Amino acid sequence: RKEVEQDPGPFNVPEGATVAFNCTYSNSASQSFFWYRQDCRKEPKLLMSVYSSGNEDGRFTAQLNRASQYISLLIRDSKLSDSATYLCVVNIELGRDDKIIFGKGTRLHILP
Amino acid sequence: NAGVTQTPKFQVLKTGQSMTLQCAQDMNHEYMSWYRQDPGMGLRLIHYSVGAGITDQGEVPNGYNVSRSTTEDFPLRLLSAAPSQTSVYFCASSYGTGAHTGELFFGEGSRLTVL
Repeated sequence: RKEVEQDPGPFNVPEGATVAFNCTYSNSASQSFFWYRQDCRKEPKLLMSVYSSGNEDGRFTAQLNRASQYISLLIRDSKLSDSATYLCVVNIELGRDDKIIFGKGTRLHILP
Repeated sequence: NAGVTQTPKFQVLKTGQSMTLQCAQDMNHEYMSWYRQDPGMGLRLIHYSVGAGITDQGEVPNGYNVSRSTTEDFPLRLLSAAPSQTSVYFCASSYGTGAHTGELFFGEGSRLTVL
C-alpha cells in the first residue's frame, strides 16, 4: 500500500456545486496533515491544515479520520478559481526529522 | 519579503554538464529541502537540511549534491546531468524541524531539461 494515496481525477464539477475528495495514508504514526493547492505550472501553496476535530475555512472543510486513516477536503459553492490540483500531505514525526509525504494530487476542473 | 527564491527558472543542459540550482530564503527558516516533480510521480524529496551545516538524503538523492553553509542558502548541484534529471525542481523551507516542521513555503520552481 502506498504511503499516501489520492484519486488523481480529474474531477469535472459544475460551478456552484459541492465536491469532496479523500486521501488515505498507511502509516498510523502520521501526526500532521495538510492540504496544499497547486495551480498549473506553479508551486504548491498551503490551503489548510487538518486538525483532529476538523476545521473549516470559508467554503473549505477539512476532516481527519484516524480510525480509517484518511483525510478529506470538501469544497462548497465551487468557483472557477478553485480549478487546481490538490495535494494531500502527511507529516510523520520521527524525532529530529519529520518525514513529509506528498500525495500525487487530485486534479479539479470547475466547469462554467 | 521575498520568501523562497529559486534561480534559474529555466535551464537546458547537455548530458554530462554540471550546474547548480540556487535557493535562498529570507524567513530565517531552519528547514530547507529540494523536491523534484515529474508527471504522474508527484513531489519527491531529493535532499533536505534541518539547519546550517546539516544535510540529509531524501527519497531520490542519487546524482545530486547539496550543502548548507548558511541558514539562508541551500544550493542543489547536478554534477553530471542525465536526461532522467529532466524535471521541475522546487525548493521549500519551513520554520521548524522535527515535530514543528509546519507549513512548507515553496519557491516558484526551476524547469530543467537535459538533452
